[in-house]
Amino acid sequence: GENVEQHPSTLSVQEGDSAVIKCTYSDSASNYFPWYKQELGKGPQLIIDIRSNVGEKKDQRIAVTLNKTAKHFSLHITETQPEDSAVYFCAARAGGTASKLTFGTGTRLQVTL
Amino acid sequence: GAVVSQHPSRVICKSGTSVKIECRSLDFQATTMFWYRQFPKQSLMLMATSNEGSKATYEQGVEKDKFLINHASLTLSTLTVTSAHPEDSSFYICSAAADYSYEQYFGPGTRLTVT
Repeated sequence: GENVEQHPSTLSVQEGDSAVIKCTYSDSASNYFPWYKQELGKGPQLIIDIRSNVGEKKDQRIAVTLNKTAKHFSLHITETQPEDSAVYFCAARAGGTASKLTFGTGTRLQVTL
Repeated sequence: GAVVSQHPSRVICKSGTSVKIECRSLDFQATTMFWYRQFPKQSLMLMATSNEGSKATYEQGVEKDKFLINHASLTLSTLTVTSAHPEDSSFYICSAAADYSYEQYFGPGTRLTVT
């Protein structure tokens, strides 16, 4: 089955700096790669996603890049703010909407003042 | 955006009792719903996938007789933890998917504590 690895497990950056989180996946059939932000005691919230026919996607301060050949994708957050502090999860899915997501192990991002 | 709710948000039950958690898609029809379990400082682990009107598909290692899933309608799925034990204490999260969207919409989660 699919295996998703995520690094780093913890990341501390100063406010205003950029943060990068990287994930690799094993199933070459994976075609959908979402990123979630989870705050303490809450469910995951989708922040950005990318499909396999696109190499990069950007939404304001957040961007995701996908390298299908290398089977890795990355989340980039620019101009970080204290409210960006949370746990971030990457995920991958092969197949349609009824197929399951496989999650990475998570990255705890701390944005310090 | 699509909204998924869960009820209750928190529940405490005694060991040996059963507890039911509801997951509802409020403004769309969910053809598929998923149930996850998350232990502290860990990732989400898929427990089962359910489609409306059919039996749930459980992940390896998840006891289907202990975690009963019912997907009775396109807007409601329930997870019943039977004969709960302290080791079942966890954060249970559901998500819902519709045919027209790539997204999976997550609920806010239910904190289960078994004493």
